[in-house]
Amino acid sequence: QKEVEQDPGPLSVPEGAIVSLNCTYSNSAFQYFMWYRQYSRKGPELLMYTYSSGNKEDGRFTAQVDKSSKYISLFIRDSQPSDSATYLCAIRDSGTYKYIFGTGTRLKVLA
Amino acid sequence: GAGVSQSPSNKVTEKGKDVELRCDPISGHTALYWYRQSLGQGLEFLIYFQGNSAPDKSGLPSDRFSAERTGGSVSTLTIQRTQQEDSAVYLCASSQGSGSNQPQHFGDGTRLSIL
Repeated sequence: QKEVEQDPGPLSVPEGAIVSLNCTYSNSAFQYFMWYRQYSRKGPELLMYTYSSGNKEDGRFTAQVDKSSKYISLFIRDSQPSDSATYLCAIRDSGTYKYIFGTGTRLKVLA
Repeated sequence: GAGVSQSPSNKVTEKGKDVELRCDPISGHTALYWYRQSLGQGLEFLIYFQGNSAPDKSGLPSDRFSAERTGGSVSTLTIQRTQQEDSAVYLCASSQGSGSNQPQHFGDGTRLSIL
């Protein structure tokens, strides 16, 4: 079993839809959770960073962590064609500097 | 301010040649990571530098891979006797430290193609 699982997609949605992207993880020691957005031929760009269970909101983006289920989500409200990218989750625990990345979910928002 | 800078952005070379990839981290960032990203795969950790400490080389796939970081700033990843399976995007990231509250910031990567 991989330490982090992420559906690769692709996920296609119409403009204005609410998008839900998810990752599951296996190690309950993981405490820090990140979402990165990666446009084609670009490096990953940090979107959200959280270490606690619950929700964190930033504009149209909401990161949700459920440590009891080992499940993290990224919600995008009012999705735009410019949101079309690959979204990577990343996880680490407090005892290491290593990050474990999901394989990424490709999202396409149709105009 | 400037982000993480990587060069070259693209590199095409013949099997068996050596290649050198460069990473210039964000100024003041003491931690530097190299990753490899292959199609359909997650980011594969290669090596980690933190200040003057010995690097963590545990992710390097073979002894053909090496990396150094001079003066705590610029880093170079070298692949000797390249093989076709080395074709991938090589990403560099830096952070202010290795603390848990210090997320990584990535460069745009070097796209390496081995013919």
